[in-house]
Amino acid sequence: AQKITQTQPGMFVQEKEAVTLDCTYDTSDQSYGLFWYKQPSSGEMIFLIYQGSYDEQNATEGRYSLNFQKARKSANLVISASQLGDSAMYFCAMRGRNSGNTPLVFGKGTRLSVIA
Amino acid sequence: DSGVTQTPKHLITATGQRVTLRCSPRSGDLSVYWYQQSLDQGLQFLIQYYNGEERAKGNILERFSAQQFPDLHSELNLSSLELGDSALYFCASSQTVYNSPLHFGNGTRLTVT
Repeated sequence: AQKITQTQPGMFVQEKEAVTLDCTYDTSDQSYGLFWYKQPSSGEMIFLIYQGSYDEQNATEGRYSLNFQKARKSANLVISASQLGDSAMYFCAMRGRNSGNTPLVFGKGTRLSVIA
Repeated sequence: DSGVTQTPKHLITATGQRVTLRCSPRSGDLSVYWYQQSLDQGLQFLIQYYNGEERAKGNILERFSAQQFPDLHSELNLSSLELGDSALYFCASSQTVYNSPLHFGNGTRLTVT
């Protein structure tokens, strides 16, 4: 079974600053994938970035990067140069390879507010 | 645009009623997932179908049921509705590899009055 923990219910960041959203996970699978999603106030779930457990490099997608520390079982999302449009809920999720084609397990999310 | 289509976008109904939510997955995706998101809650997994067959079950109530049809679209049926069933219901689809993301539809916002 997998478990995702996001310990920051809410975060504030100044526009143009960088922010790190924390995510720790627990799994017995040796191979697994870690995902981050963004949910703006309009409600849709937007896939942001993926990190595989055997990927040697940290994943990056534009202003999003994933600080992956396998030994610490953490997969923190870093947003650089924050914009007002980044204000949203952010969810960390995972799925294990040995779990087969099973659903993603989500954390409870972090609400990010970007201040002008 | 995720490529996943959910209808209707909004649904308002009374307690005790039954509703059907519909989902068309992305082209080529065989897996369909249903999630429930209540106010200020995370996403609760309900049920998963793969190529027409039930693959995994989460915290789905007995009053709820789902199916996936031969054309891969899926329906989630909610019956004997209660006030607490008011939530945002998401459908998602994915390819059949563990490292592929789920792509979500825009959700159906259900309000039970």
